[in-house]
Amino acid sequence: GIQVEQSPPDLILQEGANSTLRCNFSDSVNNLQWFHQNPWGQLINLFYIPSGTKQNGRLSATTVATERYSLLYISSSQTTDSGVYFCAAGRRGSQGNLIFGKGTKLSVKP
Amino acid sequence: GAGVSQSPSNKVTEKGKDVELRCDPISGHTALYWYRQSLGQGLEFLIYFQGNSAPDKSGLPSDRFSAERTGGSVSTLTIQRTQQEDSAVYLCASSLLGVSGVSTDTQYFGPGTRLTVL
Repeated sequence: GIQVEQSPPDLILQEGANSTLRCNFSDSVNNLQWFHQNPWGQLINLFYIPSGTKQNGRLSATTVATERYSLLYISSSQTTDSGVYFCAAGRRGSQGNLIFGKGTKLSVKP
Repeated sequence: GAGVSQSPSNKVTEKGKDVELRCDPISGHTALYWYRQSLGQGLEFLIYFQGNSAPDKSGLPSDRFSAERTGGSVSTLTIQRTQQEDSAVYLCASSLLGVSGVSTDTQYFGPGTRLTVL
């Protein structure tokens, strides 16, 4: 099956800094999503981005499907950005079955 | 409701007992998914329902696990003869996958049920 690897596993930032999180996947996918899990455990969908670039406020994401990676950019980080960021991928024919990476744990210090 | 809801939020049970976990998806969402999150295994897919199609059960870890979705809406995940390794947070998600004209599969997650097997 698809392997999803995320880096870095842990990231500590000072408030206001920018960061880039990376997701590599082992096979062709037609479904790629980024999630944020807040400290209370709630998973929030950030982007559905099997290809191309999207932006939402201080967050943006780019997926280069042909090279099997996706990047999540966080600009001007805030303490509320803390939590775990997950990348999840799925392949055509596997329906809605998403394979999750192990996540990047982000801590933003004031 | 506005989002996916799950009940109970916490469940403590004794080894060998059966448990039922409930998920109410977002109204109008045709697809429903169950995942579980544990410290050692991360987030793993369990089962997927879409419309009236047969569910994709490929992620269920053993035959002690089963799920049903009644009337295309509410779903119940049942774990029989619970074991300590079943302790985890069980997450439900729903999406519009399969709805005519919808090309995305953005999945919306509920708050989860934390299951502890003593």
